[in-house]
Amino acid sequence: AQKVTQAQTEISVVEKEDVTLDCVYETRDTTYYLFWYKQPPSGELVFLIRRNSFDEQNEISGRYSWNFQKSTSSFNFTITASQVVDSAVYFCALTTTSYDKVIFGPGTSLSVIP
Amino acid sequence: ETGVTQTPRHLVMGMTNKKSLKCEQHLGHNAMYWYKQSAKKPLELMFVYSLEERVENNSVPSRFSPECPNSSHLFLHLHTLQPEDSALYLCASSQGLGAYEQYFGPGTRLTVT
Repeated sequence: AQKVTQAQTEISVVEKEDVTLDCVYETRDTTYYLFWYKQPPSGELVFLIRRNSFDEQNEISGRYSWNFQKSTSSFNFTITASQVVDSAVYFCALTTTSYDKVIFGPGTSLSVIP
Repeated sequence: ETGVTQTPRHLVMGMTNKKSLKCEQHLGHNAMYWYKQSAKKPLELMFVYSLEERVENNSVPSRFSPECPNSSHLFLHLHTLQPEDSALYLCASSQGLGAYEQYFGPGTRLTVT
């Protein structure tokens, strides 16, 4: 069975703090893809990143970075020097070769306080 | 034209009404999706279309009826809804199924009275 867990329901940080959003996934497939999406208050989910299971290199994009660790089945997302505009719900998602529909985690609501 | 558009953005309807939600994608994608997002609940996948053929129907009540006349348009026809159907309905598209990222529309906020 495929599953995505985001244990942090809500996180609140003060602006300029760093924050890490956790994502743990379950799958028996060896080929799979992981995603992060951002949903600001306006409602529209925005795609942030996709990783495949064969590429464990960490990725950095500006203030955003992602740490993919197959050994712990985790794909964590860190925002450095958080800003108020980062306030949103963040979803981690998984798709595999045996189940090609995307499975979304429950989301983590991040509030960045000025 | 932005990638995925949805109309209307807000809809209030009575339980006996019939209405339709419209989604249009301008990205040349082959797959389209309907999701339901209720407060305090995870995203629920409702329907998936690939090359205009329905490939997924996740036990959605028959009062929701999808239609995909071509690869750019997706509709969700609503009739005799219940108050618990009030939610944000999101449309998305992707290049194909599986490994491809999805691009979402802004959603339709539906309230059933």
